[in-house]
Amino acid sequence: RKEVEQDPGPFNVPEGATVAFNCTYSNSASQSFFWYRQDCRKEPKLLMSVYSSGNEDGRFTAQLNRASQYISLLIRDSKLSDSATYLCVVGPRNTGFQKLVFGTGTRLLVSP
Amino acid sequence: ETGVTQSPTHLIKTRGQQVTLRCSSQSGHNTVSWYQQALGQGPQFIFQYYREEENGRGNFPPRFSGLQFPNYSSELNVNALELDDSALYLCAIGPGQGRETQYFGPGTRLLVL
Repeated sequence: RKEVEQDPGPFNVPEGATVAFNCTYSNSASQSFFWYRQDCRKEPKLLMSVYSSGNEDGRFTAQLNRASQYISLLIRDSKLSDSATYLCVVGPRNTGFQKLVFGTGTRLLVSP
Repeated sequence: ETGVTQSPTHLIKTRGQQVTLRCSSQSGHNTVSWYQQALGQGPQFIFQYYREEENGRGNFPPRFSGLQFPNYSSELNVNALELDDSALYLCAIGPGQGRETQYFGPGTRLLVL
């Protein structure tokens, strides 16, 4: 079983749609959680951190359920520029040594 | 921008050869990690350096080795290259020094023939 599991997609949605991605992780000791975005042939870039209380950044909302070991990302009012691969990422500790564990990514395609 | 640079951007090698990849940051960050990303996969952790010492390692064989220098730039060395080593190699700085997580350089794309 992979440490971080995601549906690879692709998710094909029209502009303006709302889309949700889910991710599960197996290590219950995990302490830090993130969503990274990766454009084709580019490096991963931090989209947002994920907190137990849930957090929102503009059109993006992230949720963490520690009991179920489940992380989600909601994108509202999708834009063409949101087309990318979204990587669910888990880390063992908040600070200090940090080995990030990545899912394989979920590919999103937003069409006109 | 992260201010992290990597060189070279692309590289072609043949099986059995050795390769050195380089990473540096404008801010001279004291923690650097290396990841391997094969096509269609998420990045896989290779190792991390903190103040010139290896601070943790993933499931990679000893032919993957690294260095961090006093100016905090870093190298990844891979000996006896195999076809499966073809991948995007990413270095990342952080956490710490105002960064809560890791921030990646643009990567080096290695092709082993």
